[in-house]
Amino acid sequence: DTEVTQTPKHLVMGMTNKKSLKCEQHMGHRAMYWYKQKAKKPPELMFVYSYEKLSINESVPSRFSPECPNSSLLNLHLHALQPEDSALYLCASSQVRGHSYEQYFGPGTRLTVT
Amino acid sequence: GIQVEQSPPDLILQEGANSTLRCNFSDSVNNLQWFHQNPWGQLINLFYIPSGTKQNGRLSATTVATERYSLLYISSSQTTDSGVYFCAVEDTGRRALTFGSGTRLQVQP
Repeated sequence: DTEVTQTPKHLVMGMTNKKSLKCEQHMGHRAMYWYKQKAKKPPELMFVYSYEKLSINESVPSRFSPECPNSSLLNLHLHALQPEDSALYLCASSQVRGHSYEQYFGPGTRLTVT
Repeated sequence: GIQVEQSPPDLILQEGANSTLRCNFSDSVNNLQWFHQNPWGQLINLFYIPSGTKQNGRLSATTVATERYSLLYISSSQTTDSGVYFCAVEDTGRRALTFGSGTRLQVQP
């Protein structure tokens, strides 16, 4: 099974709301990632977790707060977002050690900030 | 950081035609992947190919790591092949993918 699931599929939120995106995988992967994709652009890395610890933060504004409560789950907490944060948010996972570091992506959450 | 360039940016084909997509990268890589992004945004893994050649049905890919490029071949294209094809690389020492800008493919019946 090479499935990464994300919920919700779509989210509309106001600039004063607090919401969370959820990502789950059961492939035994110990690295998990958040990417952001604006329309007609490639995905861009936001955060990397390795063994449940934050290893890369691409200078993401603090209104985005990641959390990795266990090896299967990754959350992205959203607070006081701006309209320009509207995008497709993609989660991915991969092995950390071994021969293949192939990343597998979830279907994404399409976020609209009003 | 590592630079990834894809060409061509746009490609229109008639059904049944063949095509070659190219990905150039600026530094040594641990990982190179090709993805197809469908209209709903899902990134579908096509190949994990840091070096060598692989084939999967009508698709094949070749990476020449020493010359820092990869090619994706699509043969006998179908309308369902339409979408955006991304090359993404992971450079040595950094566990994250950097994506090229993509090739937008439209296959017409």
